[in-house]
Amino acid sequence: SQTIHQWPATLVQPVGSPLSLECTVEGTSNPNLYWYRQAAGRGLQLLFYSVGIGQISSEVPQNLSASRPQDRQFILSSKKLLLSDSGFYLCAWSVTDARYTFGSGTRLTVV
Amino acid sequence: DAKTTQPPSMDCAEGRAANLPCNHSTISGNEYVYWYRQIHSQGPQYIIHGLKNNETNEMASLIITEDRKSSTLILPHATLRDTAVYYCIVTLIQGAQKLVFGQGTRLTINP
Repeated sequence: SQTIHQWPATLVQPVGSPLSLECTVEGTSNPNLYWYRQAAGRGLQLLFYSVGIGQISSEVPQNLSASRPQDRQFILSSKKLLLSDSGFYLCAWSVTDARYTFGSGTRLTVV
Repeated sequence: DAKTTQPPSMDCAEGRAANLPCNHSTISGNEYVYWYRQIHSQGPQYIIHGLKNNETNEMASLIITEDRKSSTLILPHATLRDTAVYYCIVTLIQGAQKLVFGQGTRLTINP
């Protein structure tokens, strides 16, 4: 069966520090991968999506970047965190249609 | 993708059927209607989707009007665990579908 792993579950980072969030998928090949962010009290915002290794599309200009070094691995990074980067980060995957499976999320607080 | 309109909040008594409406008057002929829900502090969960015909699965039923301009998600016997934000999304199914989540309907199931 397919599973998605996201870690860490919670993270507190100082302003200006780097960030690396990892997401891995098991049980499927060549998935479409997505990073979403949900700021406190706000809706879900699509940040990046990827249809294959090394293929990244950015949806909004921001302080973040994404990479897909392996078929089932999706990484969200930042060189220097801002206070506005705080939020709930969710990774998701899909294959042939719009049935996404989301991970359990990482709650990031930038202080 | 076509936009959707949902009531911001609804209440339902435990054990009753919860009927969540969604308007999508600008839906095009090849766009599907998807429903997701997000329980507090979790990632969204896929519920059901459809194109023209009514659909039913173990979680819910989806009723789509004949002109496809609106739909209703039905939770037949709501429980307290169904308290969540419910999202109605209209999307094509091709390539990497970039799901755009609106504000959704906050459904509260009352004991």
